[in-house]
Amino acid sequence: EPEVTQTPSHQVTQMGQEVILRCVPISNHLYFYWYRQILGQKVEFLVSFYNNEISEKSEIFDDQFSVERPDGSNFTLKIRSTKLEDSAMYFCASSERGNSYNEQFFGPGTRLTVL
Amino acid sequence: KQEVTQIPAALSVPEGENLVLNCSFTDSAIYNLQWFRQDPGKGLTSLLLIQSSQREQTSGRLNASLDKSSGRSTLYIAASQPGDSATYLCAVRQDTDKLIFGTGTRLQVFP
Repeated sequence: EPEVTQTPSHQVTQMGQEVILRCVPISNHLYFYWYRQILGQKVEFLVSFYNNEISEKSEIFDDQFSVERPDGSNFTLKIRSTKLEDSAMYFCASSERGNSYNEQFFGPGTRLTVL
Repeated sequence: KQEVTQIPAALSVPEGENLVLNCSFTDSAIYNLQWFRQDPGKGLTSLLLIQSSQREQTSGRLNASLDKSSGRSTLYIAASQPGDSATYLCAVRQDTDKLIFGTGTRLQVFP
Protein backbone atom coordinates (compact mmCIF):
# COMPACT_ATOMS: atom_id res chain seq x y z
CA GLU A 1 0.00 0.00 0.00
CA PRO A 2 1.39 3.44 -0.93
CA GLU A 3 2.64 5.49 2.00
CA VAL A 4 4.27 8.80 2.78
CA THR A 5 7.92 8.45 3.75
CA GLN A 6 10.13 10.90 5.62
CA THR A 7 13.87 11.23 6.20
CA PRO A 8 15.68 11.41 8.49
CA SER A 9 13.70 9.82 11.32
CA HIS A 10 15.69 11.83 13.86
CA GLN A 11 17.76 14.97 13.36
CA VAL A 12 19.87 16.64 16.02
CA THR A 13 21.20 20.11 15.31
CA GLN A 14 22.75 23.09 17.02
CA MET A 15 20.76 26.27 17.50
CA GLY A 16 21.21 28.59 14.56
CA GLN A 17 21.92 25.83 12.07
CA GLU A 18 19.86 25.16 8.96
CA VAL A 19 17.99 21.89 8.62
CA ILE A 20 16.15 20.31 5.72
CA LEU A 21 13.49 17.73 6.38
CA ARG A 22 12.57 15.50 3.48
CA CYS A 23 9.35 13.81 2.47
CA VAL A 24 8.21 11.64 -0.39
CA PRO A 25 4.42 11.96 -0.72
CA ILE A 26 2.19 9.28 -2.20
CA SER A 27 2.89 9.29 -5.91
CA ASN A 28 -0.48 10.33 -7.36
CA HIS A 29 -1.18 12.94 -4.68
CA LEU A 30 -1.17 16.60 -5.61
CA TYR A 31 -1.53 18.35 -2.25
CA PHE A 32 1.21 18.36 0.35
CA TYR A 33 1.33 19.51 3.94
CA TRP A 34 3.65 19.95 6.88
CA TYR A 35 2.50 19.72 10.48
CA ARG A 36 4.42 19.65 13.71
CA GLN A 37 3.84 18.32 17.21
CA ILE A 38 5.76 19.69 20.14
CA LEU A 39 6.11 17.05 22.84
CA GLY A 40 2.90 16.76 24.83
CA GLN A 41 1.01 19.24 22.66
CA LYS A 42 -1.47 19.13 19.81
CA VAL A 43 -0.54 18.50 16.20
CA GLU A 44 -0.34 21.92 14.52
CA PHE A 45 -0.64 22.86 10.86
CA LEU A 46 2.33 24.64 9.29
CA VAL A 47 1.80 24.88 5.56
CA SER A 48 0.03 23.43 2.54
CA PHE A 49 1.44 23.29 -0.98
CA TYR A 50 -0.18 22.75 -4.35
CA ASN A 51 0.95 23.31 -7.92
CA ASN A 52 4.38 24.49 -6.77
CA GLU A 53 2.96 27.19 -4.57
CA ILE A 54 2.10 27.63 -0.92
CA SER A 55 -1.69 27.58 -0.71
CA GLU A 56 -2.00 28.24 3.01
CA LYS A 57 0.34 28.81 5.94
CA SER A 58 -0.07 29.27 9.66
CA GLU A 59 1.32 31.96 11.95
CA ILE A 60 4.07 29.53 12.94
CA PHE A 61 5.36 29.40 9.36
CA ASP A 62 7.40 32.58 9.42
CA ASP A 63 10.34 33.69 7.29
CA GLN A 64 12.57 31.08 8.89
CA PHE A 65 10.60 28.34 7.18
CA SER A 66 10.38 27.45 3.51
CA VAL A 67 9.07 24.56 1.46
CA GLU A 68 10.07 23.25 -1.90
CA ARG A 69 9.28 20.48 -4.33
CA PRO A 70 12.71 20.18 -5.96
CA ASP A 71 11.73 17.31 -8.25
CA GLY A 72 8.74 15.14 -9.07
CA SER A 73 8.86 13.10 -5.91
CA ASN A 74 10.38 15.01 -2.97
CA PHE A 75 8.84 17.69 -0.79
CA THR A 76 11.10 19.48 1.66
CA LEU A 77 10.78 21.73 4.69
CA LYS A 78 13.73 24.00 5.43
CA ILE A 79 14.30 25.82 8.69
CA ARG A 80 16.98 28.45 8.10
CA SER A 81 18.19 29.19 11.60
CA THR A 82 16.84 26.76 14.14
CA LYS A 83 15.72 27.80 17.59
CA LEU A 84 15.32 25.70 20.71
CA GLU A 85 11.54 26.00 20.37
CA ASP A 86 11.68 24.37 16.92
CA SER A 87 12.30 21.04 18.65
CA ALA A 88 9.30 18.91 17.70
CA MET A 89 8.10 16.03 15.60
CA TYR A 90 7.51 17.19 12.04
CA PHE A 91 4.96 15.34 9.96
CA CYS A 92 4.55 15.47 6.21
CA ALA A 93 1.16 14.62 4.74
CA SER A 94 -0.34 14.37 1.29
CA SER A 95 -3.78 14.09 -0.26
CA GLU A 96 -5.06 13.25 -3.69
CA ARG A 97 -7.39 16.22 -3.89
CA GLY A 98 -7.80 19.47 -2.05
CA ASN A 99 -11.55 19.54 -1.71
CA SER A 100 -13.75 18.45 1.17
CA TYR A 101 -13.42 14.78 0.21
CA ASN A 102 -9.68 14.68 0.62
CA GLU A 103 -8.20 12.37 3.21
CA GLN A 104 -4.76 13.37 4.39
CA PHE A 105 -2.19 10.62 4.80
CA PHE A 106 0.69 11.20 7.15
CA GLY A 107 4.28 10.06 7.18
CA PRO A 108 6.07 8.59 10.22
CA GLY A 109 7.59 11.95 11.15
CA THR A 110 11.04 13.42 11.72
CA ARG A 111 11.99 14.14 15.30
CA LEU A 112 13.98 17.38 15.34
CA THR A 113 16.06 18.14 18.40
CA VAL A 114 17.67 21.57 18.62
CA LEU A 115 20.45 21.89 21.20
CA LYS B 1 -11.68 30.22 16.19
CA GLN B 2 -12.22 26.46 15.99
CA GLU B 3 -11.32 24.51 19.12
CA VAL B 4 -11.30 20.71 19.16
CA THR B 5 -11.44 18.85 22.45
CA GLN B 6 -11.31 15.15 23.23
CA ILE B 7 -12.64 13.47 26.32
CA PRO B 8 -11.43 11.51 28.16
CA ALA B 9 -7.74 12.40 27.98
CA ALA B 10 -6.84 8.86 28.98
CA LEU B 11 -8.69 5.59 29.23
CA SER B 12 -7.66 2.17 30.52
CA VAL B 13 -9.94 -0.80 29.87
CA PRO B 14 -9.74 -4.59 29.97
CA GLU B 15 -9.59 -6.49 26.73
CA GLY B 16 -12.95 -7.22 25.13
CA GLU B 17 -14.75 -4.07 26.23
CA ASN B 18 -16.64 -1.89 23.80
CA LEU B 19 -15.63 1.72 24.22
CA VAL B 20 -16.45 5.21 23.04
CA LEU B 21 -14.06 8.08 22.47
CA ASN B 22 -15.46 11.58 22.22
CA CYS B 23 -14.49 14.56 20.10
CA SER B 24 -16.15 17.96 20.26
CA PHE B 25 -15.63 21.07 18.16
CA THR B 26 -16.84 24.60 18.73
CA ASP B 27 -17.63 25.67 15.16
CA SER B 28 -20.05 23.38 13.34
CA ALA B 29 -19.08 24.73 9.89
CA ILE B 30 -16.79 21.83 9.02
CA TYR B 31 -16.17 20.04 5.72
CA ASN B 32 -15.09 16.76 7.23
CA LEU B 33 -13.72 15.07 10.32
CA GLN B 34 -10.89 12.56 10.37
CA TRP B 35 -9.95 10.09 13.11
CA PHE B 36 -6.31 9.04 13.49
CA ARG B 37 -4.34 6.61 15.56
CA GLN B 38 -0.88 7.55 16.86
CA ASP B 39 1.45 5.00 18.37
CA PRO B 40 4.18 6.31 20.73
CA GLY B 41 6.87 8.18 18.81
CA LYS B 42 5.24 7.31 15.51
CA GLY B 43 3.25 8.95 12.76
CA LEU B 44 -0.49 9.31 12.37
CA THR B 45 -2.51 6.51 10.81
CA SER B 46 -5.80 7.59 9.27
CA LEU B 47 -8.67 5.46 10.54
CA LEU B 48 -11.85 7.05 9.21
CA LEU B 49 -12.94 10.15 7.34
CA ILE B 50 -16.51 11.41 7.74
CA GLN B 51 -17.85 14.03 5.37
CA SER B 52 -20.03 16.78 6.82
CA SER B 53 -23.04 15.31 5.02
CA GLN B 54 -22.54 11.88 6.55
CA ARG B 55 -23.72 10.58 9.90
CA GLU B 56 -21.33 7.68 10.31
CA GLN B 57 -18.55 5.60 8.82
CA THR B 58 -17.47 2.07 9.63
CA SER B 59 -14.22 0.21 9.19
CA GLY B 60 -13.93 -3.21 10.77
CA ARG B 61 -14.39 -2.87 14.53
CA LEU B 62 -14.41 0.92 14.30
CA ASN B 63 -17.47 3.08 13.87
CA ALA B 64 -17.36 6.85 13.83
CA SER B 65 -20.43 9.05 14.05
CA LEU B 66 -20.83 12.74 13.41
CA ASP B 67 -23.42 15.16 14.74
CA LYS B 68 -22.36 18.36 13.08
CA SER B 69 -25.06 20.57 14.54
CA SER B 70 -24.07 19.72 18.09
CA GLY B 71 -20.35 19.77 17.30
CA ARG B 72 -19.64 16.18 18.29
CA SER B 73 -18.15 13.00 16.93
CA THR B 74 -17.67 9.66 18.60
CA LEU B 75 -15.36 6.80 17.76
CA TYR B 76 -16.75 3.45 18.84
CA ILE B 77 -14.30 0.56 19.18
CA ALA B 78 -15.90 -2.86 19.48
CA ALA B 79 -14.32 -5.76 21.33
CA SER B 80 -11.15 -3.89 22.21
CA GLN B 81 -7.78 -5.65 21.98
CA PRO B 82 -4.35 -4.86 23.48
CA GLY B 83 -3.21 -3.94 19.97
CA ASP B 84 -5.71 -1.06 20.02
CA SER B 85 -3.58 0.66 22.67
CA ALA B 86 -2.53 4.02 21.20
CA THR B 87 -3.47 7.69 21.21
CA TYR B 88 -6.54 8.50 19.15
CA LEU B 89 -6.80 11.93 17.56
CA CYS B 90 -9.67 13.62 15.81
CA ALA B 91 -9.19 16.50 13.41
CA VAL B 92 -11.64 18.74 11.58
CA ARG B 93 -11.29 20.49 8.28
CA GLN B 94 -13.10 23.72 7.56
CA ASP B 95 -12.98 25.83 4.42
CA THR B 96 -9.21 25.73 4.16
CA ASP B 97 -6.58 23.03 3.63
CA LYS B 98 -5.54 22.56 7.21
CA LEU B 99 -6.66 19.99 9.72
CA ILE B 100 -7.32 21.26 13.23
CA PHE B 101 -6.46 18.58 15.73
CA GLY B 102 -7.88 17.66 19.09
CA THR B 103 -5.98 16.98 22.26
CA GLY B 104 -6.14 13.19 21.88
CA THR B 105 -7.30 10.28 24.00
CA ARG B 106 -4.60 7.90 25.23
CA LEU B 107 -6.09 4.41 25.28
CA GLN B 108 -4.64 1.42 27.05
CA VAL B 109 -6.26 -1.99 26.65
CA PHE B 110 -4.88 -4.55 29.08
CA PRO B 111 -5.15 -8.34 28.72
